[in-house]
Amino acid sequence: AAGVIQSPRHLIKEKRETATLKCYPIPRHDTVYWYQQGPGQDPQFLISFYEKMQSDKGSIPDRFSAQQFSDYHSELNMSSLELGDSALYFCASSLSGGAAGELFFGEGSRLTVL
Amino acid sequence: AQKVTQAQTEISVVEKEDVTLDCVYETRDTTYYLFWYKQPPSGELVFLIRRNSFDEQNEISGRYSWNFQKSTSSFNFTITASQVVDSAVYFCALISGGSYIPTFGRGTSLIVHP
Repeated sequence: AAGVIQSPRHLIKEKRETATLKCYPIPRHDTVYWYQQGPGQDPQFLISFYEKMQSDKGSIPDRFSAQQFSDYHSELNMSSLELGDSALYFCASSLSGGAAGELFFGEGSRLTVL
Repeated sequence: AQKVTQAQTEISVVEKEDVTLDCVYETRDTTYYLFWYKQPPSGELVFLIRRNSFDEQNEISGRYSWNFQKSTSSFNFTITASQVVDSAVYFCALISGGSYIPTFGRGTSLIVHP
């Protein structure tokens, strides 16, 4: 079965550069979530979208922005990168009306900021 | 507010030993959902189980079993006859308060030695 696809899987950037991560949810899933997991840390919720509108906002820095497009894929844009942004970024998707909390995670995009 | 505590940072066992991962949660809501996820060294988050607050029945799936006790606000996870492939970080997560965003615990790193 199709899963959540994230790209790129690995990304290396320098400080102050920008980066864009992409997420393609499971077909027919209408909700996308972004999480950030620092080294040795638990996943921290950043932001979510339902039907292309922002639905919940967590600890997303102002330097980051995200959107969900008409085909339901989502992009996380990160600007003025800092060393502390180095992390594994997860995207998850779910179907509204489905079982609460039944999120399907992608394999993550590992961002390294040098 | 909701909170998940996984007091065990790291557990090391020898293959075939049984091991229990502890999870204690806090929420003021009567309706909530508890989850366990596995994160192997490859990094992806793998969904293991979802439990709602109205179902305290324990569950067994192969070598995995879960003990949900509302009286102690715990949702512990036991692996019987552990195997090297069980080595991973295991996260307990909670959804409550009408939110669909899981809050994760800090995770327990399980190392199974041959």
